[in-house]
Order: sequence, then structure tokens, then C-alpha cells
Amino acid sequence: DGGITQSPKYLFRKEGQNVTLSCEQNLNHDAMYWYRQDPGQGLRLIYYSQIVNDFQKGDIAEGYSVSREKKESFPLTVTSAQKNPTAFYLCASSPRGPSYEQYFGPGTRLTVT
Amino acid sequence: KNEVEQSPQNLTAQEGEFITINCSYSVGISALHWLQQHPGGGIVSLFMLSSGKKKHGRLIATINIQEKHSSLHITASHPRDSAVYICAVLLETSGSRLTFGEGTQLTVNP
Repeated sequence: DGGITQSPKYLFRKEGQNVTLSCEQNLNHDAMYWYRQDPGQGLRLIYYSQIVNDFQKGDIAEGYSVSREKKESFPLTVTSAQKNPTAFYLCASSPRGPSYEQYFGPGTRLTVT
Repeated sequence: KNEVEQSPQNLTAQEGEFITINCSYSVGISALHWLQQHPGGGIVSLFMLSSGKKKHGRLIATINIQEKHSSLHITASHPRDSAVYICAVLLETSGSRLTFGEGTQLTVNP
């Protein structure tokens, strides 16, 4: 079945450690996105990629890094520079261009203590 | 002020009631999305619309571009409709980037 997978569903880390969240899609979508969701707030865009080997910062990119070496994969690294990393992280993908729906993964809940 | 405002923030209904969730936006858009987020966190797209009205089962979405307003209606609501409903807009100037409302938490009691 086609879809987006994120792993793991729950992730726990100690403060000061970098952590990488996985996002894989087999929908043959060109565009991929990372969002952060906090209680009482709308989703906020961290990074997005319209095509392999290219990505752009979203609204809250500080303390995060990404890579897009393969079309299917868009991993997100939460670095120790991110001041409040505990959140729910959602990955999405869509065909390239503005007129398409985005398909969301199940999310990863990251807790940093 | 957020570019996308949803109301109400929380809504409790009895099974069978007709439900309306509203979304207002303040800038020009190319399209508007309605999304559903279940308690586990996963999000599914319900509708994408740029004009008029769309219907899928018991769900109806409308948009008035001139008034910068959209509504999501649920007819004959059911406890399984309990979820967070999120409005997101594609700004005319943002390419494929979505801007999201804060969501409406809907609880339908049996």
C-alpha cells in the first residue's frame, strides 16, 4: 500500500543530544514537508523540499536540519540547539506544485528531558 | 493576529446534531484545505476547495472567496466524528506552503 511512514512513534532523548526522525514515502511525490505541532497551536512548517537535493527553511527552522538525498526519504534532525524540542512532529508529502493535497504521516512524539 | 482563524476552539455535540465549524482568513488564497486529526495524531485530508461547495458522505465544505470564509458541516454527527478539525490555506504568495488554523476540537457524545 502507498503511504508515508514515520518512525518511531514515540522517542525519548536527553537534553543535549541530537536526534533524527525518519520519514519515508512510496507515493512517488516530489514534495515533502516537516511540521511541528504544539498544544493549542496550529502546525508550523520547519523545512520543506520540492525536489531531491533541494530544501528550504520554513517558519521555524532554527535548531533543525534536513537532507533530501532520495525522493522517498526526508529525515529531520533535531539538534541540541533547538531550545524546546519536545513536540509532535508530522511529515507530509504531495505532488510538486500548489494544487495538490498533502498526505500526512502518523507523526512522531519527541520528548526531551 | 493569525492569518487563519477557526471557531469555535472546542465544540461538544450530541449524536445526531448538525455541526458547523468556521474558518476565516485574512489574505488572498489559492485553495483551502480541511483536515481531520484523530486522537492518535494522524491527519487525513477531508477536502481541498477553491470555490463553491464539496460534499463527501455526511461532510460538506463551503467556501466564500469574497468574504474570505469557509465552513465545514457535519450532518447526523456520530461519536466517531470526534476529532480535531483543522483549516489550512494555501496563500497566493507561498507556492505550496500551507498556513494552518489552530484547530477545532469536536466531541460528539452518544
